[in-house]
Amino acid sequence: GAGVSQSPSNKVTEKGKDVELRCDPISGHTALYWYRQSLGQGLEFLIYFQGNSAPDKSGLPSDRFSAERTGGSVSTLTIQRTQQEDSAVYLCASSLGVTETQYFGPGTRLLVL
Amino acid sequence: AQSVTQLDSQVPVFEEAPVELRCNYSSSVSVYLFWYVQYPNQGLQLLLKYLSGSTLVKGINGFEAEFNKSQTSFHLRKPSVHISDTAEYFCAVSNFGNEKLTFGTGTRLTIIP
Repeated sequence: GAGVSQSPSNKVTEKGKDVELRCDPISGHTALYWYRQSLGQGLEFLIYFQGNSAPDKSGLPSDRFSAERTGGSVSTLTIQRTQQEDSAVYLCASSLGVTETQYFGPGTRLLVL
Repeated sequence: AQSVTQLDSQVPVFEEAPVELRCNYSSSVSVYLFWYVQYPNQGLQLLLKYLSGSTLVKGINGFEAEFNKSQTSFHLRKPSVHISDTAEYFCAVSNFGNEKLTFGTGTRLTIIP
């Protein structure tokens, strides 16, 4: 079946602009995660959605970052007023739930000029 | 809080030689342990995971890992590597009730023909 998909695959933006990154999880997966992979910080957790529970936002680096998950499926990560340090690969993963394998998408490579 | 240490950032190995990639973790509660692989220009893929039970875990592509609670380690091994194993390998930890993954900084495995 189809895996996790993310769009766009690449995004170049100017400092100060807002960006939206999209994640389509595997159908039926109730858990959805966002991670960031950057040269300076490695792979770091950003936010986690599980079913209808309140999301775990403990990894968001600042209030410029937000995410939502509509209808328990598609998720959008929004970065407002982008900064150069936001440049990274943003990875989305989904799973069937607790202790289940997280399947990762190909990522969105964000470059802030 | 939990953390993962991968001491070796790069490991060069001759083709058909054995390899061990080291991973140590720190956590105040019981953990789940994972190894993910990232091939060049591809997304993260699960190699293997330890949730409970047998401490020796076998994964895809001939890899295996052993959970050692007393040494808080989860080293990854393969008895004979191939050129196709060239990739970056990430060790990760999570625990029940805190399903987000905490990753190590990764080990780049380079196979020398």
